[in-house]
Amino acid sequence: GESVGLHLPTLSVQEGDNSIINCAYSNSASDYFIWYKQESGKGPQFIIDIRSNMDKRQGQRVTVLLNKTVKHLSLQIAATQPGDSAVYFCAENSPSGGGADGLTFGKGTHLIIQP
Amino acid sequence: DTAVSQTPKYLVTQMGNDKSIKCEQNLGHDTMYWYKQDSKKFLKIMFSYNNKELIINETVPNRFSPKSPDKAHLNLHINSLELGDSAVYFCASSHGPGGTYEQYFGPGTRLTVT
Repeated sequence: GESVGLHLPTLSVQEGDNSIINCAYSNSASDYFIWYKQESGKGPQFIIDIRSNMDKRQGQRVTVLLNKTVKHLSLQIAATQPGDSAVYFCAENSPSGGGADGLTFGKGTHLIIQP
Repeated sequence: DTAVSQTPKYLVTQMGNDKSIKCEQNLGHDTMYWYKQDSKKFLKIMFSYNNKELIINETVPNRFSPKSPDKAHLNLHINSLELGDSAVYFCASSHGPGGTYEQYFGPGTRLTVT
């Protein structure tokens, strides 16, 4: 079936370096993608989103890239800080008749920031 | 003020019991959801409610029933609890159809069935 998945379960980077977290999706009808950050013991927290009519969107220290040709999504975090340590999820909201859909989440990537 | 709140944060109970988890959002959103996160951190949608109507009911056992007394609340009732129900349950809300689809999550309820 359709799914959203991540390439790497764990990513370790040095503090101050840039991080790139990748995500593959298989539902070509998906029109909205979101990145969430989940810290230990907390609920997922919205980071940034992108619609299928865009290929890049920037936020504060974060950039999301969407490549619809290869169905690939990435999250770039600039100058990583200790507070960036968390599990990162990509999610898609595929269109359906009802419109009020839940999100389909990927498996998550654990980002570890080393001092 | 907390946008999406859940109670209790921790719930430990025995097999066969019936329990409820409450969720409230003060964002004025039209749609609320329940998600289940397993021990491997995998998040899966269970239900969504839009204007007090069930929009999605993923293939969850009928022992689980969402109940929405009003637009700001979506409670989750679980009957005859089983060991496999142990997980973290998250409530979320969004503007609903035609909105941004960004979902705001609560802090989660860790359910342990013994």
